[in-house]
Formats: sequence, structure tokens, C-alpha cells
Amino acid sequence: NAGVTQTPKFRILKIGQSMTLQCAQDMNHNYMYWYRQDPGMGLKLIYYSVGAGITDKGEVPNGYNVSRSTTEDFPLRLELAAPSQTSVYFCASSYPGGFGTGELFFGEGSRLTVL
Amino acid sequence: GENVEQHPSTLSVQEGDSAVIKCTYSDSASNYFPWYKQELGKRPQLIIDIRSNVGEKKDQRIAVTLNKTAKHFSLHITETQPEDSAVYFCAASLDTGTASKLTFGTGTRLQVTL
Repeated sequence: NAGVTQTPKFRILKIGQSMTLQCAQDMNHNYMYWYRQDPGMGLKLIYYSVGAGITDKGEVPNGYNVSRSTTEDFPLRLELAAPSQTSVYFCASSYPGGFGTGELFFGEGSRLTVL
Repeated sequence: GENVEQHPSTLSVQEGDSAVIKCTYSDSASNYFPWYKQELGKRPQLIIDIRSNVGEKKDQRIAVTLNKTAKHFSLHITETQPEDSAVYFCAASLDTGTASKLTFGTGTRLQVTL
């Protein structure tokens, strides 16, 4: 299993540009998440999904959109990029239903710079 | 919503000494408290977790304690080694058996010196 795969690993955007961060998992996990990590600020939840066709906002959703058309994929869309979106983005997934372990399996991260 | 505070932000210990990182949470309904380790440039990985029905959990050199009354939990690393150097994040959530909507602390950078 490859686990959670994110692309691209690095990207520089100009203010106002748009882009999509790709995330795929091959562990048959129902739950997927997008977090952003800013220096000294920990990880903040942007959006999450409990299954195909179902998404919900996390703590910091403004400026982002997500979709979940399949169990495997959970892309994050940035519209009209702003310098405040400069961050490292982590996609994660966790086990399916029931009172499971709750462990998050993270991708390697995508470092985005908006200039 | 939940708020998690973590202290200290940096911690330097000599190899072989113990390290303790402390976290407090605000939502008394939270019942799941994991700790993640993030090595430089790498992804966060779960190292240990505890649920609110347990007061302490150990796994070799690491242990976590939970005080529900005071709403705080701590990570203890004994006999520290250079490979323990990393950033450690605590987190809290209400685990209802669905998505893990964790609230993370701001992290502690642990440096183990020789």
C-alpha cells in the first residue's frame, strides 16, 4: 500500500491564481481530511469527508473547496490564492466506522507559497 | 469549540534524561487524546493515544497520563535518545465513532543532546 499520496509536494502561486492539491489513499478509509500547518500554530482542520459525496467544513474553511467523488480521492481547491494561504497542507485519512482507533494517517505534505 | 494549549514550546534535554510535555483542553466532552510526532520535514505520525476511561497508558519508553477533572494530559518520555528529537503535538476530540475532528496543540520542539 502506498498509503496517503499528495501532489504536488511544492508549488509557488501568484496572488489570485487558483490550484488544486491532489490527495489519494489506497487503504479503503472512509474518512479523509485536509489540514494546514503554519509555523508555531499546530495543525488546523480545513475540511473533512466521511464518505463519497459527503464533505463538511472544519475550523478554517474560508478560501478553500473540496469534493469527494470517490472513496480514494479528496482534492482541495484553492480559489483566488492569497498570501495568508502560504502554508504546508496535509491530507489524512482514518479507519472506517465503529469506535475505531481514530488514528490519522497523513500524506507527506504539500508546501504552498503565495507571492 | 475545543481549545488545546501545549507547553513548553521548546524543550532541550540530555540523552538519557526524561522529557515531559503538558497539554490542557477546554471541552469537558472530549474523550480521545492522541500524541503525534513529526520529524523534521516529515509527516506527523501517531505515537500513543489515550481515551477518557483510562488514566494512564504506557508503551515502552513513552507514557501518557490523563486528568479529566483538571482537563489536562501529559506525555512522558523516559531514557531519551537522539532519535526522539522531533516536534510533538497533542490533540483532543470527541470520538463518536466517526470522523476524527482533532484539535491540535501548537507543538513542542524536543531536542535531545548528546
